[in-house]
Amino acid sequence: AQSVSQHNHHVILSEAASLELGCNYSYGGTVNLFWYVQYPGQHLQLLLKYFSGDPLVKGIKGFEAEFIKSKFSFNLRKPSVQWSDTAEYFCAVSSSGGSYIPTFGRGTSLIVHP
Amino acid sequence: NAGVTQTPKFQVLKTGQSMTLQCAQDMNHNSMYWYRQDPGMGLRLIYYSASEGTTDKGEVPNGYNVSRLNKREFSLRLESAAPSQTSVYFCASSLTVSPYNEQFFGPGTRLTVL
Repeated sequence: AQSVSQHNHHVILSEAASLELGCNYSYGGTVNLFWYVQYPGQHLQLLLKYFSGDPLVKGIKGFEAEFIKSKFSFNLRKPSVQWSDTAEYFCAVSSSGGSYIPTFGRGTSLIVHP
Repeated sequence: NAGVTQTPKFQVLKTGQSMTLQCAQDMNHNSMYWYRQDPGMGLRLIYYSASEGTTDKGEVPNGYNVSRLNKREFSLRLESAAPSQTSVYFCASSLTVSPYNEQFFGPGTRLTVL
């Protein structure tokens, strides 16, 4: 079975700081990777996804993530955060050989101070 | 399009009471899901319905029942609520149960069991 670890549970940054949120998964086969975001009071929505090809994936609102197969990682990055990025971020993994339904990580709460 | 809608938004129950959470989607999706979200635990799958007429257990099905009423609607029932079921419940849908498909989430139901 696949699993996902998000090591940073709470992150506090000032505006314009750079962001990197860690995501590691455990599954030996081919995986599909997702980052979802939940803004305060809103529902989860897809930020970006990786299936194959270029391991550097760009998503909405200036976010990007890099798939490093050798490290089983899919870290989320943003060069310069804004107050509006305050949200909870979830990494998820699915696979054709494991569970088709995404397994979610615990989430990382990001607070950005203006 | 409303996307995925859930009712109610908030609910307080006493231990032993029953209730049904309603979910509907208007995206003509085949698959629907119920998750619970607890602090530090991320999203955990309770039940899902791959298509109309089918339901399957997820990671944490105990204490819950589901009904896929038609293609649009998927309800979650707590027969005898317990304090351990205090959580935020999210309904989601996707085109099919595929490792490549994005899930679309509802706004959530915040349930407190006293």
